[in-house]
Amino acid sequence: DQQVKQNSPSLSVQEGRISILNCDYTNSMFDYFLWYKKYPAEGPTFLISISSIKDKNEDGRFTVFLNKSAKHLSLHIVPSQPGDSAVYFCAASGIGSGNTGKLIFGQGTTLQVKP
Amino acid sequence: DADVTQTPRNRITKTGKRIMLECSQTKGHDRMYWYRQDPGLGLRLIYYSFDVKDINKGEISDGYSVSRQAQAKFSLSLESAIPNQTALYFCATSDTRQGGFFQPQHFGDGTRLSIL
Repeated sequence: DQQVKQNSPSLSVQEGRISILNCDYTNSMFDYFLWYKKYPAEGPTFLISISSIKDKNEDGRFTVFLNKSAKHLSLHIVPSQPGDSAVYFCAASGIGSGNTGKLIFGQGTTLQVKP
Repeated sequence: DADVTQTPRNRITKTGKRIMLECSQTKGHDRMYWYRQDPGLGLRLIYYSFDVKDINKGEISDGYSVSRQAQAKFSLSLESAIPNQTALYFCATSDTRQGGFFQPQHFGDGTRLSIL
């Protein structure tokens, strides 16, 4: 039972364009969402988060959008740079994961930004 | 120096062997976690610890045990390793003392474990 799903295993975009990574969840009790970036041979690195009381959070080139009615979140990277090439994981937490701070992860999307 | 250090980084061993993966942190965080990553499945939680005396099972704890020897150290053991425990293992920490549960977790660089 995959509560957090990233249905696109991979995404390829041109440098300078927008990258949009998508994530869907099934448990309406999740109330905190995060995106992590992972390079090969390294651990995941926290990128950006959003609370369920908001629908948008922005940090430089990265913006996360949350649509609670659709149980959908997305990460926008504008403009995309070759250094953004990595695996991106979305994760959810809150009451939906027992309110213990546990994170439920999606499967990951591999982003390739071409020069 | 890394804030969350995992040892070893790579390990190859045989079925039936006992293996211990170690994690130490210099961040002073109260919570520590062990995850495994398998291709196409993302990261799944094995065990987590709120403090030295509080250990909890995650989604996939069967075949694993943990020990929180100190606030800074959290080890994962495979008592009798089997091939389907071949995976990438990550340790993570979080600090809930400042803002409740909504604190990002910080990950080590992982241990690649292969069981033949």
